[in-house]
Formats: sequence, C-alpha cells, structure tokens
Amino acid sequence: AQSVAQPEDQVNVAEGNPLTVKCTYSVSGNPYLFWYVQYPNRGLQFLLKYITGDNLVKGSYGFEAEFNKSQTSFHLKKPSALVSDSALYFCAVRRNTGFQKLVFGTGTRLLVSP
Amino acid sequence: DTAVSQTPKYLVTQMGNDKSIKCEQNLGHDTMYWYKQDSKKFLKIMFSYNNKELIINETVPNRFSPKSPDKAHLNLHINSLELGDSAVYFCASSQEGINTGELFFGEGSRLTVL
Repeated sequence: AQSVAQPEDQVNVAEGNPLTVKCTYSVSGNPYLFWYVQYPNRGLQFLLKYITGDNLVKGSYGFEAEFNKSQTSFHLKKPSALVSDSALYFCAVRRNTGFQKLVFGTGTRLLVSP
Repeated sequence: DTAVSQTPKYLVTQMGNDKSIKCEQNLGHDTMYWYKQDSKKFLKIMFSYNNKELIINETVPNRFSPKSPDKAHLNLHINSLELGDSAVYFCASSQEGINTGELFFGEGSRLTVL
C-alpha cells in the first residue's frame, strides 16, 4: 500500500525567503507524485505533479518540487515566499498502473509572515 | 461556471437522521470521488467511480452509499448518522490519461451531526 509522510505540521517563513515543505513517500513500483494546496474553507487545488522525466517539476504560483528516487522524497520549494502562499499543503502519491487511489499526506500548514 | 459543485455546502442534523450530498462536474471527466476530511484535516478517500462503475470502495461503513446516475454526477447518501460522521466531505473528479491524478475538488460539504 502507498503512503505519504509530511513530517512538519507547520512551516514558518518570512516573506521573501525561500521555503521548503517536506514530503517522503512509500509505494511499490514507480510513483506518481502530487502537491495540492488548500486555502481556508476551500477545496484542494492542484499545484504540480511528477509522472516521469525531469526530476525537477515546475507548477503553479512559482512552486517547484524535486523528485528524489533514492531518498523517496518529493519536497515542495519556492525561491521567494509570499504572504498569500500561507495555506495548507498536501503531498499525495499513487501507483502508476491502472485505476489507483490518490493517497494524501497529513498536510503541512505554511505560514508566511510579512 | 463552477467545475465541481456540491450541495449543500453546510448541513446540520441530528444523530440517527439520513442525509444526502450531491455532486456534479461539468468538466467531462470520467472519474469521480468522495473524500472525507476530518477535524484534523486528514483527507481520506471513500469511493471512486469511473463511468458510473464503482472502482474504489475503501473501508467505509455500509451506512454510506454512493450513487452515480451518470458520469457527471456522484451523490453520497448517509443513513443513521453518527457523531463521528461530522466532517467535511469533498467531491472530486479527474480524467485518466494525460491528466492522470489531477483531481479537481469541489468546495466541500461541511456535515455537523448533533
């Protein structure tokens, strides 16, 4: 069975500084990896995904993530944080065959201070 | 136009009652889902339908019964509501293939059982 670990409940960063939100995964076979963002009282929004190819993937709002197979990680990064980036971030994984469920991590709250 | 719409947005009811949540997507996707998000923001898949066929059925009490009259609609009926059913229920849709794993979420239906 697949699983995702987000070790930090909350990440605090000052506006303008780089940010990293950590994610490690476990899945048999090759993974499909995703990041989603949830703003208060809203549904989740897709940010970016890794399916195959280049290990560095770029997504919406200036976010990027790096797939590291040896460390089974898919950390989310942004070079310069904005206050408006403050939200709940979810990493997710699924297997790459057939109809597979998307399993989400427990979420990391990002708080960007002015 | 809202891509994935759920009704009602808020639902407050007594223990033991039966209630339904409706979901519609206008994206032409062939797969729809129900996810439950608890008070700690943990997100867990409940059901998934592909072209009206049930393909994922997690360990969910049989008081929960999904119904998909067509591929654009997925409703959730809950019998004999319990306090532990209080949560936010999210409907989502996706299209397998090039956009595999990119789920489009509704805004959620917050269920409170008293």
